[in-house]
Amino acid sequence: EDQVTQSPEALRLQEGESSSLNCSYTVSGLRGLFWYRQDPGKGPEFLFTLYSAGEEKEKERLKATLTKKESFLHITAPKPEDSATYLCAVQAADSWGKLQFGAGTQVVVTP
Amino acid sequence: NAGVMQNPRHLVRRRGQEARLRCSPMKGHSHVYWYRQLPEEGLKFMVYLQKENIIDESGMPKERFSAEFPKEGPSILRIQQVVRGDSAAYFCASSTNTGTEGEKLFFGSGTQLSVL
Repeated sequence: EDQVTQSPEALRLQEGESSSLNCSYTVSGLRGLFWYRQDPGKGPEFLFTLYSAGEEKEKERLKATLTKKESFLHITAPKPEDSATYLCAVQAADSWGKLQFGAGTQVVVTP
Repeated sequence: NAGVMQNPRHLVRRRGQEARLRCSPMKGHSHVYWYRQLPEEGLKFMVYLQKENIIDESGMPKERFSAEFPKEGPSILRIQQVVRGDSAAYFCASSTNTGTEGEKLFFGSGTQLSVL
């Protein structure tokens, strides 16, 4: 069965203190690994899709990387507006539109 | 270009009543997905629909839940005879197609269902 585990569950950072979030996954053939950001009371907001091991994508202070077993979301010099829950999800090769989400990492960045 | 629109944002029902949740996908999107987020749990897939077709309903409870995406109008998630355990945030997402690469899903802001 496909499984996604995110760690840590929560992360408290000082503004400017870089860190990484982990997403470990098992899936029967990876079609895509997704990172989303979710603010309280809102729906997930798309950040990145990664398709194959070795791939990296960047957007502002965020950088996502992918290996055959896990993905990392690196937050460089975070700002308070980066506070959110970050969700990782995988889509299996035989799956059409079904994402398996992890429980998320809640990130709080303090000034 | 408006995003995925869900209504209502909040819905309160008493046990045994029916709940109807609506979702209008992004313009140009013909694929709709429903997910449920229970308190302290992650998002769980429920159903995937295209116009007039249910493609995958493997995450939908067998009883009381149904979904449709008619040729005209929004997608509807219907929960009959609601129970307290149905209280959750229900999110709708849409995408353009299901090509060879993983589809990027765009999510709405959700409907928070509270069952009294």
